[in-house]
Amino acid sequence: ETGVTQTPRHLVMGMTNKKSLKCEQHLGHNAMYWYKQSAKKPLELMFVYNFKEQTENNSVPSRFSPECPNSSHLFLHLHTLQPEDSALYLCASSQVVTDTQYFGPGTRLTVL
Amino acid sequence: AQKITQTQPGMFVQEKEAVTLDCTYDTSDPSYGLFWYKQPSSGEMIFLIYQGSYDQQNATEGRYSLNFQKARKSANLVISASQLGDSAMYFCAMRGSSASKIIFGSGTRLSIRP
Repeated sequence: ETGVTQTPRHLVMGMTNKKSLKCEQHLGHNAMYWYKQSAKKPLELMFVYNFKEQTENNSVPSRFSPECPNSSHLFLHLHTLQPEDSALYLCASSQVVTDTQYFGPGTRLTVL
Repeated sequence: AQKITQTQPGMFVQEKEAVTLDCTYDTSDPSYGLFWYKQPSSGEMIFLIYQGSYDQQNATEGRYSLNFQKARKSANLVISASQLGDSAMYFCAMRGSSASKIIFGSGTRLSIRP
């Protein structure tokens, strides 16, 4: 595997379900990011992790819970989501937070 | 406050022609960086090109060049000799004083006609 990978690529879940999105980067980077891309809205930064420590939470509701066990892996745990949370969730990484970010293919989430 | 504006929601261009995608920005930070990303229908955001605010020359990467006009606060992307595979959404983005935070424009959908 090369670059940034995300699984699953597609996810459909009910509002009472609990699921997790996984991101893995194979670039030796130290910073990782979660973004949300909704239809007709600009890409929104959700969380930033730098050397496994969360450095930014962009006022994200608590039903989204990130986890970064090491510099290569990033998870987004989802529970009791709302239909308006349906979106493309993109993971990115960079060598350090000031560097160019490289994105994964995204997980397209549908909340019923 | 920082802001990125892309005024062209969609563009159609004939194959092999050059195309310019517009981007203007607003920031009070003395140091900032500007990016262009391509997003095909598959969803992945592909990094194309970067321009630092203190770079003296316009950035170039293969068929991509960034027309950086600092006084006008514009950072237009120029694609030379367009190809069918260039059809995608293109996003302009900027990183300012909050080094980890990049803000994105609303994007331009580029369609290349054969």
